[in-house]
Amino acid sequence: KQEVTQIPAALSVPEGENLVLNCSFTDSAIYNLQWFRQDPGKGLTSLLLIQSSQREQTSGRLNASLDKSSGRSTLYIAASQPGDSATYLCAVRVPKAAGNKLTFGGGTRVLVKP
Amino acid sequence: EAGVVQSPRYKIIEKKQPVAFWCNPISGHNTLYWYLQNLGQGPELLIRYENEEAVDDSQLPKDRFSAERLKGVDSTLKIQPAELGDSAVYLCASSPGPGETQYFGPGTRLLVL
Repeated sequence: KQEVTQIPAALSVPEGENLVLNCSFTDSAIYNLQWFRQDPGKGLTSLLLIQSSQREQTSGRLNASLDKSSGRSTLYIAASQPGDSATYLCAVRVPKAAGNKLTFGGGTRVLVKP
Repeated sequence: EAGVVQSPRYKIIEKKQPVAFWCNPISGHNTLYWYLQNLGQGPELLIRYENEEAVDDSQLPKDRFSAERLKGVDSTLKIQPAELGDSAVYLCASSPGPGETQYFGPGTRLLVL
């Protein structure tokens, strides 16, 4: 059974500092990995999706890397801003033959202080 | 373009009462998901629909939970009777097809007293 872990559970940084969020998963047979952002009382917004054949994806200040063999992904957010304060969740998708399921980590709650 | 719509946004009920949640997916999205999210945890899949067919309901507690998507568009999730442990956020998501990017609604926050 696929298990996804995110450490730390919470993170507080001063504005301008780079953020590094970690995600690990137990089964390397994944189809893709996705990073989401969740604001309080709201649904999830997809940030980046990395296919299993890719090593990284970039969007603006966000960069996500994937090391499938070691079961790890890292989300980097450069020059953090107070508006980046949210919970960040990673999720892995298993291949279709295994049910095509999306398994989420518990999230990292980020606070960027002005 | 409208996103995934869910209602109600909040619901407070007493234990043993029934409750229902409604979801309207993004137009044209054939795949619909219901997730349960407990406080401080990631969402967990309850059921997935491909059009009107429930193709994965292995995590749905069938003794008290039921879901339907009769015309392959809107969906309802019902709990009867509700228990204290059902207090959580119920998220609906949709995607154009299976395995494609999922778009989430704002969720329904349920509190069972």
